[in-house]
Order: sequence, then C-alpha cells, then structure tokens
Amino acid sequence: GNSVTQMEGPVTLSEEAFLTINCTYTATGYPSLFWYVQYPGEGLQLLLKATKADDKGSNKGFEATYRKETTSFHLEKGSVQVSDSAVYFCALSVGPFSGNTPLVFGKGTRLSVIA
Amino acid sequence: EAGVAQSPRYKIIEKRQSVAFWCNPISGHATLYWYQQILGQGPKLLIQFQNNGVVDDSQLPKDRFSAERLKGVDSTLKIQPAKLEDSAVYLCASSSPDGVSQYFGPGTRLTVT
Repeated sequence: GNSVTQMEGPVTLSEEAFLTINCTYTATGYPSLFWYVQYPGEGLQLLLKATKADDKGSNKGFEATYRKETTSFHLEKGSVQVSDSAVYFCALSVGPFSGNTPLVFGKGTRLSVIA
Repeated sequence: EAGVAQSPRYKIIEKRQSVAFWCNPISGHATLYWYQQILGQGPKLLIQFQNNGVVDDSQLPKDRFSAERLKGVDSTLKIQPAKLEDSAVYLCASSSPDGVSQYFGPGTRLTVT
C-alpha cells in the first residue's frame, strides 16, 4: 500500500539554525509529494509540492527534492525563524495522473524554534 | 479568493448523541474530501466526492458515519451515534482544477464525552 514515514518529533531549534525533517514514502505507482504545515490553532496549509522525480518544490525559504532512488522528500530550510514553529506533515497522492486522489499523510513533526 | 469554510469550529457532545459538520469548498472545485485527524496523527481520508457523486468511501464507518453533497457544492458529514473514539478534528478539503493540490478548511474539533 501507500504510506509515508516522517522523523519523530518534537524538534527544537534555535533561531537561524538549519532545519531538516526527513520523509520517506512507499507507493504503488508514481506519487506526487507534498509538505503541509499546521500553525497553532489553524488549518493545514500547502507549503510545497513536487509532482515528478528530481523536481524541487520551494516556498517561504523551505525546499524539498523528490528523490525517486531513495524514495525520499526531505524538508529543509537554511535559517529557521520563531514564526516557523508549527507541525509539518509530509504527504503523497497516487493516481493515474496523481490528480483528484486522496492524500496519505505521515504522522507529522512538531517544530519549535526558540529565540 | 475565499478558502474552504467549515462549521462549527468546535463541538462537544456525549456518546451516543448525533452531530453534523458542514463544509463549503472553494468555488469551482469539483472534488471534495473529508478527513479525520486524531490527536498526534496525520489526517486520514473518510470520503471523497466528485461533484455530487461518491468516488471513495471505503474508509468511512458506514454504520455510524454518513456524508452527502447533494448539489455538488457544499457537503455535510454526520455521525450517529457518536463514540468516544470519534473525538478528533474533522477536516474538509477541495482540489484545485488541475486536481493536484488540495486546500483545507480550518476543521471542526469534536470532543465526545
């Protein structure tokens, strides 16, 4: 079946530190890959996505590269801010064109950034 | 552009009572999803609609959960009767026209006591 495994949290970093959140997946077919972020008290927001191997998704200083050979989609940011404190979810969708198909989520990784 | 709307935001009920959640997707989004997010876990699909038809309800506990999208726009999810293990956040999402990106509402936090 399809599944996503994320690194366990919580992750606590000092402001301006480098962030990596690991994500690996198992999928039948060719998935699209996503990172969603959930700020305290808010809903899930799409952070970035990649729809084919070697694509790099990027947004707000975050980036992730679709690595088919290692079935990974690790999230990185060079310098985190206190405002990045949130829960981050890795997700995939698989379908004929990975469109209009349900998302399969990892368990989420809580990030806390301290000043 | 208005986002996905959901109501209520919070609901507390006793076990064996019934509850209903409402969702209005982004205008023009034909595909609508309901997910259940239990504390500490990622969201899990309950049901997917394409316009007013059900695409996938394989993970919906049909003995107590039901959902409809009669006019192909807004949707209602109902639980009757509720159990303690139904305590969760219920998320509604809709797909962009290219079908790849899903946009989520703020969710309804249900507590069953």
